[in-house]
Amino acid sequence: DQQVKQNSPSLSVQEGRISILNCDYTNSMFDYFLWYKKYPAEGPTFLISISSIKDKNEDGRFTVFLNKSAKHLSLHIVPSQPGDSAVYFCAAYYNNNDMRFGAGTRLTVKP
Amino acid sequence: GAVVSQHPSWVICKSGTSVKIECRSLDFQATTMFWYRQFPKQSLMLMATSNEGSKATYEQGVEKDKFLINHASLTLSTLTVTSAHPEDSSFYICSARDDWETNEKLFFGSGTQLSVL
Repeated sequence: DQQVKQNSPSLSVQEGRISILNCDYTNSMFDYFLWYKKYPAEGPTFLISISSIKDKNEDGRFTVFLNKSAKHLSLHIVPSQPGDSAVYFCAAYYNNNDMRFGAGTRLTVKP
Repeated sequence: GAVVSQHPSWVICKSGTSVKIECRSLDFQATTMFWYRQFPKQSLMLMATSNEGSKATYEQGVEKDKFLINHASLTLSTLTVTSAHPEDSSFYICSARDDWETNEKLFFGSGTQLSVL
């Protein structure tokens, strides 16, 4: 049961441009959403999160937007840098022990 | 920031043997740890929730006797893959939540690549 979906397995952008990574979810019970970044052979690291009571959260170059009616969230990275090249996982959460992850989107930022 | 150490990072074993993977929170206490499995190009699939001092909670479809979890202290959880077979080959990742943090983010280990011959 894929409750969190990242439909784009990969994304390629030019350095300095905006990267937009998308995530859709099906469970309306989710009330907290997170983005994790993962480099090869490493565990994911937390990037940014948003509560369902908000529709936007910004942290430096990273902004997460939440559209509850559409059950959609997105991560914007601007400006994109080559070091941002990684796999990005969207995750959603609704109780103390149940976080669901999307399949990930591989972002490549070209110099 | 908080660090989770996972060991070993990779292991190759013969079919039928057992493999133990350790997950340690190095600078925080974690009553709750999570074990995930990731197949190539697929999502992190939650296998079980490890609770210090009590039995682990397994996700549907995960064999309890196959994947033994022990969370004996607030900083250590272990996953033992018993009688491993080639289909158990995968990337296993643990994560932990800081007991004193109010946010919901998890800290992940670096993962263990298991190859069963």
